[in-house]
Parts: sequence; structure tokens; C-alpha cells
Amino acid sequence: AQSVAQPEDQVNVAEGNPLTVKCTYSVSGNPYLFWYVQYPNRGLQFLLKYITGDNLVKGSYGFEAEFNKSQTSFHLKKPSALVSDSALYFCAVRDMTDSSYKLIFGSGTRLLVRP
Amino acid sequence: EPEVTQTPSHQVTQMGQEVILRCVPISNHLYFYWYRQILGQKVEFLVSFYNNEISEKSEIFDDQFSVERPDGSNFTLKIRSTKLEDSAMYFCASSDRGHEKLFFGSGTQLSVL
Repeated sequence: AQSVAQPEDQVNVAEGNPLTVKCTYSVSGNPYLFWYVQYPNRGLQFLLKYITGDNLVKGSYGFEAEFNKSQTSFHLKKPSALVSDSALYFCAVRDMTDSSYKLIFGSGTRLLVRP
Repeated sequence: EPEVTQTPSHQVTQMGQEVILRCVPISNHLYFYWYRQILGQKVEFLVSFYNNEISEKSEIFDDQFSVERPDGSNFTLKIRSTKLEDSAMYFCASSDRGHEKLFFGSGTQLSVL
């Protein structure tokens, strides 16, 4: 069965410092991996995806994520955090070899960037 | 950027009542989804819809749930007889291809009393 783990409920970082939000996944086949962000009273917004190719993918707002097949991880990173990055971040996976289109989401990580 | 819109933003209902949650997906999208998020828990898949029929549904999506695309623009989720445990934020989403990124609406907060 597919699953996603986000081990940290909250990540705190000072503005200007690098940030990492962790995600590990489990699928039986090859994964499609996604990061979404949720701001208060808003729906989930797409940040970036990994389908195939380069393990380092770049997305919106300066975020990037690195796919690591051996560690089954897809950590979200940003070199320099902004206060406006404070939000709820969700990692999601879909099994590429499955005919299903559903995404399986992690439990979310709250990012708090302090000034 | 185009948006998925959902109405209402909040819905309060009594247990046993029927509710209809409405969504207008992005106009050229072909795949439609409902997800829900119970307070403090994960975002969970409910159902996907393509070519005017359900393509997949989760265990949560039992006989009390149904979806419909009554015209070319709306996509609705009906809960026939609501239960307390149906209280959650319900998100509609759409995509132009099945494996591509989903665009989510802002959600409908359903409270069953």
C-alpha cells in the first residue's frame, strides 16, 4: 500500500536561514511525488513535482526538492526562508505503475519562519 | 491563474440531513476529485471522476456519497444522510491529465451537529 510520512509536525527556522521539510514515501512501483502548500483559509497549492529525470526539481517560490530513491525520500528545501513561507506543507505520492490517479498525502508539516 | 471554486465555504447541518457541496473545476480540465481533511488529520482521497463516471473511490466513499457533473461546469458531492464523523473540510480538485498536478479549491467546511 502507498504511504507518505512527514516526521515533523512543525519546523521552525529563522528568516534568511535554509529550511528543510522532510518526507519519505512507500509505493510498490515507481513514484510520482508532489509538494503542496496550504495557507490559512486557502486550498492546497501545487509547489513542485518529481515524475522522472533529474533528481533535483525546482518549483514555485524558490523551493526545490531532491528525490532520493535509495532512501525513499523527497525532502523539500529552500536556501533562504522568508516569513511569508510560513504555512502548512504536504508531501504526496502516486504510484506510477498503478492505474489509479489518487494522491496519497502525508500528515503535513507546519513551517514557521520567524523574523 | 485559473481557480477551482467551491461553495459554500461553510455548511452546518443536522445529523441525518442531506448536503450538497458544489465545485466549479477549471474549464478545460478533464479529471475531477474530492478529498477531505478531518481536523488535525491527513488529507484523504474520496473519489475521482473522469469521462462522466467514477474512475476510483476510497473506502470512505460508501453508499451515502455520490458525485455528479450535472452540466458542463459544476461538479457536486452529495452526502445523503450525514453523520457526525462526516464533519471535515472537503476539497474539490481538478487536473487536465490524470497524473499531472491537481488544482484545489479553498474547501467547504462541513459541520454536522
